[in-house]
Amino acid sequence: EAGVVQSPRYKIIEKKQPVAFWCNPISGHNTLYWYRQNLGQGPELLIRYENEEAVDDSQLPKDRFSAERLKGVDSTLKIQPAELGDSAVYLCASSLDRRTENIQYFGAGTRLSVL
Amino acid sequence: DAKTTQPPSMDCAEGRAANLPCNHSTISGNEYVYWYRQIHSQGPQYIIHGLKNNETNEMASLIITEDRKSSTLILPHATLRDTAVYYCIVRVGGEYGNKLVFGAGTILRVKS
Repeated sequence: EAGVVQSPRYKIIEKKQPVAFWCNPISGHNTLYWYRQNLGQGPELLIRYENEEAVDDSQLPKDRFSAERLKGVDSTLKIQPAELGDSAVYLCASSLDRRTENIQYFGAGTRLSVL
Repeated sequence: DAKTTQPPSMDCAEGRAANLPCNHSTISGNEYVYWYRQIHSQGPQYIIHGLKNNETNEMASLIITEDRKSSTLILPHATLRDTAVYYCIVRVGGEYGNKLVFGAGTILRVKS
């Protein structure tokens, strides 16, 4: 069974440019999460989806970050425009449903460098 | 919200047991303790979780004290591939439902 797939693995952009990350969760998993991980710290939740609905986006900086999960499967996370402080690893995770939501399966992440 | 306290780093000899402590003195009665680990350049990986009783699976054992204020993750025979950051997490409830809140974790270095 394939795990959570993220692309790209690495992205280097100049500040003020837009960037997008893509995530394909484990087949059949209804809940999808996006996290941001700064160097030397643990992951921080940005947004959580239940199927197509964003049920917790309280930590998502909405002035420049947006996310979508069309059809309740794949998801994209976008930053526009990117700032130097956005350099981090962006992780996607999925879980089967709310009852087991805390056993989350993570992708390898996208490492973003903003120059 | 229950928070956890872990040592920033630990060393362990290959083949020996690795015992990783975690304090969670403000844990509530219905909150689970979860352990994840993150190997370099990978995403976090679920290890084990428990409420009151000790738990064991193919990866590790989890020992929770009777008062539930602390726990220990045990890797019985550590290998070099167990070198990673280990996160002890107490599930956090809230307006939007339960979620995991990661701290800085413990860097475990397994040495030959």
